[in-house]
Amino acid sequence: SQQGEEDPQALSIQEGENATMNCSYKTSINNLQWYRQNSGRGLVHLILIRSNEREKHSGRLRVTLDTSKKSSSLLITASRAADTASYFCATDDDTGKLIFGQGTTLQVKP
Amino acid sequence: GAVVSQHPSRVICKSGTSVKIECRSLDFQATTMFWYRQFPKKSLMLMATSNEGSKATYEQGVEKDKFLINHASLTLSTLTVTSAHPEDSSFYICSASRGGDGNTIYFGEGSWLTVV
Repeated sequence: SQQGEEDPQALSIQEGENATMNCSYKTSINNLQWYRQNSGRGLVHLILIRSNEREKHSGRLRVTLDTSKKSSSLLITASRAADTASYFCATDDDTGKLIFGQGTTLQVKP
Repeated sequence: GAVVSQHPSRVICKSGTSVKIECRSLDFQATTMFWYRQFPKKSLMLMATSNEGSKATYEQGVEKDKFLINHASLTLSTLTVTSAHPEDSSFYICSASRGGDGNTIYFGEGSWLTVV
């Protein structure tokens, strides 16, 4: 089952611009994670934010979490062509089981 | 760091045959592993939770007799697609939770299955 929606489904930007992706979920969560997937490949873990956290940074990534709205956003600043990939949010219940959002396909044009 | 390995990375099989995909945790023991399925340009759908030494827990709508999961040891879970059909063609990916490590989740590289 899918946890929720991500928007936009597809995003195309120029190198150097910022990319913002949003994720909504339906049930209560312990943690929310963001993953990246290059076409046809496995998942790369980007960042985990706990339900009691509101914002987290990692390099050019900034994640926010609003549990009252059951939503999260991922911001990639100063995007690069190498950031082109699909990005997924996933909620987890601390058992290791992840429920993924629909994903956003990001294209960064050089 | 911890690594989860999947094998094969790509497999082509004929309709009606069965194919087995392995998921191994290489440097840690995983009492629980998870199997996901992903169609092209779609998200990952959780298929089942693989429990070491006991039966797998399947998500609603997943046929347990078609997707056999065996977790015989603390480092190996296998997914067998039985009597495969072309509509079973998909990307299958496993994950393992290390536990006691902030419950860090590690993913395999995935296996592309094509049924012809």
